[in-house]
Amino acid sequence: EVQLVQSGPEVRKPGESLKISCRTSGYRFGSYWLAWLRQVPGKGLEWMGSIFPGDSDAQYNPSFEGQVTISADESTATAYLQWSSLRASDSGLYFCARLGQLALDFWGQGALVTVSS
Amino acid sequence: EIVVTQSPATVSVSPGKTATLSCRASQSVNNFLAWYQQKPGQAPRLLIYGASTRATGIPARFSGSGSGTEFTLTISSLQSEDFAIYYCQEYKNWPLFTFGGGTKVEIK
Repeated sequence: EVQLVQSGPEVRKPGESLKISCRTSGYRFGSYWLAWLRQVPGKGLEWMGSIFPGDSDAQYNPSFEGQVTISADESTATAYLQWSSLRASDSGLYFCARLGQLALDFWGQGALVTVSS
Repeated sequence: EIVVTQSPATVSVSPGKTATLSCRASQSVNNFLAWYQQKPGQAPRLLIYGASTRATGIPARFSGSGSGTEFTLTISSLQSEDFAIYYCQEYKNWPLFTFGGGTKVEIK
C-alpha cells in the first residue's frame, strides 16, 4: 500500500528556518517524481516544485524558486521542503504528493505551517 | 506559462442530479489534464487523469471529457459525499503543472 506521511504542524517566528518531511512507503521511492504543494486556507492549490529522488533533479515553480529548497533521501524514502528564513506569507497547509500516471495519485495528509511573531 | 481557469466558482445542485464543471487552459495541453476532489480537512483525491480516465476506485458517475483547451467534469446522480471542491490541473510540461482555482459543488 502506497503511503505518504507528513510531519506534524509547525509554528515558527518570521526569520526562522524550517524543514518539513514526507515519509513514503509502499513503492520504489527513487522511481517517481514527488511534488510539494501549498494551500492557503480557503484558497486553491499551488504547485511549489517537484523532485525526482533517483537523481535529486528538482524543478521549481518560479514563484517559489529561491524561497524554498526541495530535497530527498533515498535511504529513508523521505522528501523534504525547507525554508531558511520564513515569512508570515509562508503560512499555509503544505502537501506532498506522488506523481504517478502523470498525475498526483497519492497524497500526504498535509502539514500546517504557521509563521507569526 | 499556462493559465487554467475553472467555471463556475460555485455550482448548486440537488442530490441525484447532474453537475457539469468546466476547465479551460490558456493554450493547448492536449489531454494532459487531471481532476481532483477535495473535502474539508482532507487532502485532494485524484479522480480523472488523461482528461477522461478514471483513477482506481473512482465511481463511474464521474466522467471527464475534452482535449486541447476545453475540458469538462460531469458528475451524474450526485451523492451526498460528492459535495466538495473540485480542481483541474494541467500537466503538459510535467513535472511542472498548474491548477485551476476550483469549483465548489454545493447542495441546492
